[in-house]
Amino acid sequence: QKEVEQNSGPLSVPEGAIASLNCTYSDRGSQSFFWYRQYSGKSPELIMFIYSNGDKEDGRFTAQLNKASQYVSLLIRDSQPSDSATYLCAVNIGSGGYNKLIFGAGTRLAVHP
Amino acid sequence: NAGVMQNPRHLVRRRGQEARLRCSPMKGHSHVYWYRQLPEEGLKFMVYLQKENIIDESGMPKERFSAEFPKEGPSILRIQQVVRGDSAAYFCASSPSAGGETQYFGPGTRLLVL
Repeated sequence: QKEVEQNSGPLSVPEGAIASLNCTYSDRGSQSFFWYRQYSGKSPELIMFIYSNGDKEDGRFTAQLNKASQYVSLLIRDSQPSDSATYLCAVNIGSGGYNKLIFGAGTRLAVHP
Repeated sequence: NAGVMQNPRHLVRRRGQEARLRCSPMKGHSHVYWYRQLPEEGLKFMVYLQKENIIDESGMPKERFSAEFPKEGPSILRIQQVVRGDSAAYFCASSPSAGGETQYFGPGTRLLVL
């Protein structure tokens, strides 16, 4: 059973701080990794994807990937109350030339003023 | 450019009835994925379809559930003889290519089985 693990939270951070969200996965063959944000009652929206070991930055967001440790993380700098949501880590386990995403249960982030 | 559309947004069914959920992918997208999200859980992959073909249905329950994506019209997820455990949010996502890095999600259909 291929799995993606996340702490359910809630992760509470003050406004302006760095929020650090973590995710581990079991499938060593996975090649691509995604972070989605989901507001309560809404659909997931893609924040970032990452393929290569190391860091990938996009605005206030940085994704970090360590394939040897089977670990991917998302850093949110200068956290805002509007960042309060559930963050879903997804791992592509597809081997047939298409994306087959396995999602973690998500980490709830609460940014308080 | 309209996004992924799903209807109905909310669906109430009594046990034993049928539920039909529709998904219209983004314009130009011919790849559709269906996911189910139970309360307080992550999304679970159900099925991946291309036009007129089911490519991967490994996440679909063996009974009562079926999916199609006809040449014309939306993709349909059909649940026969619904039970209370089918109550969930059902999301579809579309992408322009099989290996494309981005799946665009629709707003979801919230199914409630009484």
